[in-house]
Amino acid sequence: GAVVSQHPSRVICKSGTSVKIECRSLDFQATTMFWYRQFPKKSLMLMATSNEGSKATYEQGVEKDKFLINHASLTLSTLTVTSAHPEDSSFYICSAMTGGSNQPQHFGDGTRLSIL
Amino acid sequence: AQKITQTQPGMFVQEKEAVTLDCTYDTSDQSYGLFWYKQPSSGEMIFLIYQGSYDEQNATEGRYSLNFQKARKSANLVISASQLGDSAMYFCAMRVSSTGFQKLVFGTGTRLLVSP
Repeated sequence: GAVVSQHPSRVICKSGTSVKIECRSLDFQATTMFWYRQFPKKSLMLMATSNEGSKATYEQGVEKDKFLINHASLTLSTLTVTSAHPEDSSFYICSAMTGGSNQPQHFGDGTRLSIL
Repeated sequence: AQKITQTQPGMFVQEKEAVTLDCTYDTSDQSYGLFWYKQPSSGEMIFLIYQGSYDEQNATEGRYSLNFQKARKSANLVISASQLGDSAMYFCAMRVSSTGFQKLVFGTGTRLLVSP
């Protein structure tokens, strides 16, 4: 149980393109979803927290107009990198959780984004 | 502020031996949860084990156990009988009551290499 599907797993596109990444909880309803960015050989950096039906809460330093997050349902959140540039190239990974202080976040497999 | 410290950037262990990965944490919250995740080279984050701040017994999950020493603010992961498939990055993370038990704060990770 507790499977999170993230799609696509890899994207290569030209500078200026907008890229949408989907994160779905397959067998549970996620009250909260999270988007992280991970640089090579580094830890995960939280970008934003999203709750279904409300605006995402962005971490300090993360441009909300650059990284658009939509949490349309209890099983789907999307991250759109708008007008992507080479510096946006990174590994993006989502996670989802139900309620409960002892419940772990369940992670998707990540998306490797490369902007040429 | 919450902080996780993992002081071992890399660890080596021989197959079938036990290994301890260190994690210390800092928080002023009385209620918090500690998690360990494994990240293989493919990128996905795999939940391993959870320890709540009020849990009196150390958590165990198969070959994984958590050596929780609350007074020392440490939550070390012990992997018994290491296998080649245990080679991966390991992240310690914490979630605290003051953020609604939502945000996970990650350490910098420890890369474990298991040799035959």
